[in-house]
Amino acid sequence: GAGVSQTPSNKVTEKGKYVELRCDPISGHTALYWYRQSLGQGPEFLIYFQGTGAADDSGLPNDRFFAVRPEGSVSTLKIQRTERGDSAVYLCASSSGTGLDNYGYTFGSGTRLTVV
Amino acid sequence: ILNVEQSPQSLHVQEGDSTNFTCSFPSSNFYALHWYRWETAKSPEALFVMTLNGDEKKKGRISATLNTKEGYSYLYIKGSQPEDSATYLCASPNPALIFGKGTTLSVSS
Repeated sequence: GAGVSQTPSNKVTEKGKYVELRCDPISGHTALYWYRQSLGQGPEFLIYFQGTGAADDSGLPNDRFFAVRPEGSVSTLKIQRTERGDSAVYLCASSSGTGLDNYGYTFGSGTRLTVV
Repeated sequence: ILNVEQSPQSLHVQEGDSTNFTCSFPSSNFYALHWYRWETAKSPEALFVMTLNGDEKKKGRISATLNTKEGYSYLYIKGSQPEDSATYLCASPNPALIFGKGTTLSVSS
């Protein structure tokens, strides 16, 4: 696609429920990144895919968070047993680079998750 | 853990003022320094990717410098306009980008 697409743009869910957030990166971009941004903070790294594999998942806060990218394109971030502290804007970005290079990221518009 | 810091946290200037803000990062194992602009209700947009000590990049009224030996980068905006109002983020790869908290700029007309 022309840009990075994230759906839904907004999601309100009840505490304890399961949610899935989707990211459709720029076609051909091998690297895909998930971040979350809370009020007053910069984007916090969650997980990074190179192709189908998670190259670095050290930012996932706990085992309630999981992400997949089965075909090396679309990625889904899954959050189980949501908590109010999970409320944030979840950003996805893609890049044609491999990480430690000069390629900038293209970000999606984000999914605003609110857990009530 | 890579620590990227930005200052000030927020800044309010009048239209026409020039301004600058700072990004600090570890000088060891340096690969690159990225600057992004994030306007409200939009996606973060890449401004610059800088890799060499002494690098200076420019995009219209916005420019950035890089000092990898001492671990800092400055972003300058000349003649600020209301449309420059945004949060400016810097980041360094580890290997995924690690972002600072940003500097939120507000420009009044």
